[in-house]
Amino acid sequence: AQRVTQPEKLLSVFKGAPVELKCNYSYSGSPELFWYVQYSRQRLQLLLRHISRESIKGFTADLNKGETSFHLKKPFAQEEDSAMYYCALTSGSARQLTFGSGTQLTVLP
Amino acid sequence: DAGVTQSPTHLIKTRGQQVTLRCSPKSGHDTVSWYQQALGQGPQFIFQYYEEEERQRGNFPDRFSGHQFPNYSSELNVNALLLGDSALYLCASSPGLKPGYEQYFGPGTRLTVT
Repeated sequence: AQRVTQPEKLLSVFKGAPVELKCNYSYSGSPELFWYVQYSRQRLQLLLRHISRESIKGFTADLNKGETSFHLKKPFAQEEDSAMYYCALTSGSARQLTFGSGTQLTVLP
Repeated sequence: DAGVTQSPTHLIKTRGQQVTLRCSPKSGHDTVSWYQQALGQGPQFIFQYYEEEERQRGNFPDRFSGHQFPNYSSELNVNALLLGDSALYLCASSPGLKPGYEQYFGPGTRLTVT
């Protein structure tokens, strides 16, 4: 069965510092990985997906199949990056999302 | 386009009661998925509807059922409510099931069972 693990529930960094949110997964097939973000009082929204290999709001994530990881990185954190971040993968014919338990990122001034 | 909408926003029910939650997908989307998000956890997949049929189901008991209407809107029904059903219920829609299709989430319905 597929599983997504985010080891850090809480992460605090200072503005301008690099940030890395960890995500590990277990899945027997070829997964499609995503990062979703939820800002305060807003709905869950897609941040980026590995197949598009894009950078959104300065965030990037590389799929490492050997380490089964999909860590989210940003070189210089901003206060507006403070939010809850969820790593997720899709599987099955219905492409249902399996989410990790999330990491609350706080960027301090 | 208002995106995915859900109603009601909040709901309080008593153990043993039944509840119906509603979802309208984003314009142009025909696939609706439901997720349960317990406090401090990530969303968990309940089931998905496409062409008015349940296409896939997660690890949830039969007390959880749903329906999709011809206009693609959907309902989630939960019977014989338990305290453990208290959670945020999220609806997500997408324009089909092909790889790369983004799922758009609604704001959720907060269900409290007392």
